[in-house]
Amino acid sequence: KQEVTQIPAALSVPEGENLVLNCSFTDSAIYNLQWFRQDPGKGLTSLLLIQSSQREQTSGRLNASLDKSSGRSTLYIAASQPGDSATYLCAVMGGSEKLVFGKGTKLTVNP
Amino acid sequence: NAGVMQNPRHLVRRRGQEARLRCSPMKGHSHVYWYRQLPEEGLKFMVYLQKENIIDESGMPKERFSAEFPKEGPSILRIQQVVRGDSAAYFCASSPFGENEQFFGPGTRLTVL
Repeated sequence: KQEVTQIPAALSVPEGENLVLNCSFTDSAIYNLQWFRQDPGKGLTSLLLIQSSQREQTSGRLNASLDKSSGRSTLYIAASQPGDSATYLCAVMGGSEKLVFGKGTKLTVNP
Repeated sequence: NAGVMQNPRHLVRRRGQEARLRCSPMKGHSHVYWYRQLPEEGLKFMVYLQKENIIDESGMPKERFSAEFPKEGPSILRIQQVVRGDSAAYFCASSPFGENEQFFGPGTRLTVL
């Protein structure tokens, strides 16, 4: 059974810092991994999708890496801004085409 | 191209009533997924549907919950005889085909009094 863990559960940083969010999963047989952002009381916004054959994806200040063999992914956020404050969710898709989510990292960027 | 649409956004029901949650996938998407987010919990998969077919319902509670995705119209998640423990945010996602990026709707927040 696939399990996804995100560390840390919460993170508070001053504006401008570069930061890394971690995601680990127990079963390396995945099709892809997605990083999402969720604002309080809102839906999920897809940030980055990494296919199992890829090592990383970049979008603006965000960079996500995937090491499938070790069951790890990281989301790197450069030059953080207060608007980046949200909960970041990692999810993996296995053979059943359903996403298995971690519990998220709640990020607060202080001005 | 409108995103995934869900309605209602907020739904209040009393114990024992029925709740119907609707999801319209993105245009051209034929795969629909429902997830539930309980308070202080992560999102959990409930059911995966294609038009007129339930592909995987392994995450659905055995009783009171059902889902459909008819040939015409939105996907419906139906909860009969709601209980307080059903209070949660229910999210729908769609994709153009399997093993692909899923796009999420804004969710329906169900409160059971």
